[in-house]
Amino acid sequence: GESVGLHLPTLSVQEGDNSIINCAYSNSASDYFIWYKQESGKGPQFIIDIRSNMDKRQGQRVTVLLNKTVKHLSLQIAATQPGDSAVYFCAEDPSNFGNEKLTFGTGTRLTIIP
Amino acid sequence: DGGITQSPKYLFRKEGQNVTLSCEQNLNHDAMYWYRQDPGQGLRLIYYSQIVNDFQKGDIAEGYSVSREKKESFPLTVTSAQKNPTAFYLCASSFRDGSYEQYFGPGTRLTVT
Repeated sequence: GESVGLHLPTLSVQEGDNSIINCAYSNSASDYFIWYKQESGKGPQFIIDIRSNMDKRQGQRVTVLLNKTVKHLSLQIAATQPGDSAVYFCAEDPSNFGNEKLTFGTGTRLTIIP
Repeated sequence: DGGITQSPKYLFRKEGQNVTLSCEQNLNHDAMYWYRQDPGQGLRLIYYSQIVNDFQKGDIAEGYSVSREKKESFPLTVTSAQKNPTAFYLCASSFRDGSYEQYFGPGTRLTVT
């Protein structure tokens, strides 16, 4: 079946450095992708999203890059802070039917080293 | 404040008992969702509802039931037929305008012994 997956389950980054979290997807028909941040014991929080007609989208300290050729999605966090430590999930809309269902990846745990 | 709430935060039950998890939202969202999350894993969709009085099974609906009698509420019942009910349960809601962003509640951690 088609799925959203992540290359690395864990990532440690020095405070102040930039971090990059990667995500591979297999459904070339997906037209919407979203990144969530989940802190321990809490619900996921929206970070940023991107549609397939875009290659890049920037938010506050975060950038999402979409490479449709290789079906790869990445989340860049600039100048990481201790509060960035969390699990990050990518998700896609695989059906493209507009039914708002999302398929979530396994997640990457980001640890910021002080 | 607008948001999505789940209660209780922690729930303990004996094996063989049904238990209902609450989810309420005041965001005026049409669609609501229930996910299950096991340690170190992603979110798996249990049930979702796009409109009042209608809902569809997700990927792991067996052993669960839902109702959607009101737009604001989407309770999930974990029945005794669910073989591994201990998990973190997350409720979410969204508009149906193509924006796809789902807003999540704080979750309920269910432990069945």
